[in-house]
Amino acid sequence: EVQLVESEGGLVQPGGSLRLSCAASGFTFSRYWMTWVRQAPGKGLEWLANINEDGRENSYADSVKGRFTISRDNAKNSLFLQMNSLRDEDTAAYFCARRNGRGHPFDSWGQGTLVTVSS
Amino acid sequence: EIVLTQTPDTLSLSPGERATLSCRTSQSVSSSYLAWYQQKPGQAPRLLIYGASGRATGIPDRFSGSGSGTDFTLTINRLEPEDFGVYYCQQYDSAPITFGPGTKVEIK
Repeated sequence: EVQLVESEGGLVQPGGSLRLSCAASGFTFSRYWMTWVRQAPGKGLEWLANINEDGRENSYADSVKGRFTISRDNAKNSLFLQMNSLRDEDTAAYFCARRNGRGHPFDSWGQGTLVTVSS
Repeated sequence: EIVLTQTPDTLSLSPGERATLSCRTSQSVSSSYLAWYQQKPGQAPRLLIYGASGRATGIPDRFSGSGSGTDFTLTINRLEPEDFGVYYCQQYDSAPITFGPGTKVEIK
């Protein structure tokens, strides 16, 4: 069974940093693209970043480019999202999800973790 | 950026009825790189439809997708109680990947 489990989020002050992780199991992690999506409270879904199988190719939404970094450790079946210079508007539930490659949808999702940016 | 518009905002229906949800894209989505997701409160989204009309693994056949170019439809035949929630369309044809604002299907 495919499982994606995000690390606990938490409360961060504006301007602060937080690193999220996503532990994958039940599939060959190194063969899949991975992605991060977020959802502000009561709002819709926003794609944030993609990373390819070997971690050499990534892409970002304009809203987080230069502040967030997606990475992965295939040896540890883990995906990461380093979030810097956090803003109030980054408050959201953050989901990791699996993609079968470029041109594929997000076929499995983690349960999400809440990040609150507030002073 | 491809903008997705979903109509209606809310659909109030009774179990057993048919739901028809629309998604329009601001530019043509090539090769039908259009997906639909279902999300229930407090849960992660679940992939229902990919490539505009392909059903994801384990999705009942009462869910069907259609359309091409800029106009796409998700149809849910014979609504079951567990089908109520918010439905999002998504284009994964060109960067950035974008989602529609969602259609809420609620119990009438």
